[in-house]
Amino acid sequence: KAGVTQTPRYLIKTRGQQVTLSCSPISGHRSVSWYQQTPGQGLQFLFEYFSETQRNKGNFPGRFSGRQFSNSRSEMNVSTLELGDSALYLCASSLRQGEYGYTFGSGTRLTVV
Amino acid sequence: SQQGEEDPQALSIQEGENATMNCSYKTSINNLQWYRQNSGRGLVHLILIRSNEREKHSGRLRVTLDTSKKSSSLLITASRAADTASYFCATDVLSGTYKYIFGTGTRLKVLA
Repeated sequence: KAGVTQTPRYLIKTRGQQVTLSCSPISGHRSVSWYQQTPGQGLQFLFEYFSETQRNKGNFPGRFSGRQFSNSRSEMNVSTLELGDSALYLCASSLRQGEYGYTFGSGTRLTVV
Repeated sequence: SQQGEEDPQALSIQEGENATMNCSYKTSINNLQWYRQNSGRGLVHLILIRSNEREKHSGRLRVTLDTSKKSSSLLITASRAADTASYFCATDVLSGTYKYIFGTGTRLKVLA
């Protein structure tokens, strides 16, 4: 059974650019959540999707957005990148909305220069 | 703001010893989960305990939950070098939305 796949693994972008990260959940999992992890702030909740609907959103500016497709794959987009957006972005999927625990991907390491 | 706070922030023990880490949270919960993260990689789900449970075991792991004190503890018995990792608790909020918030983590180092 394939795990949660996140692409790309590493990314270097310039301030002001935009970036799209992809997450393919475990087959059959309909809930996908995104987290940002930085040394200073720890794991911060970005948003959660269930059956293509955004159910929950964290306290991030509108530059952070996401979506989920009918096959449960999810993307998140960050526009007008800032240096502070440098982080490990983690995607997690669950059979139901986290009720039975999440399976995490290995993350995308984004560096903004 | 963090829903959960782990204590201690860092812990260093010898192989074979037990490791205990604690998590305190602020609001009522449906369940609490513990995760392990190795060196900046993805998190691995260890155990989930529901609000109506007081103790749960999984292999060398023992988790307790005290909802009156809004706290949980994770005990790893007979630790191994491979247990070296960061450990996080995650809690939802009783709003039915299943939005999980992670604590600040405990960095465990097991010395061989």
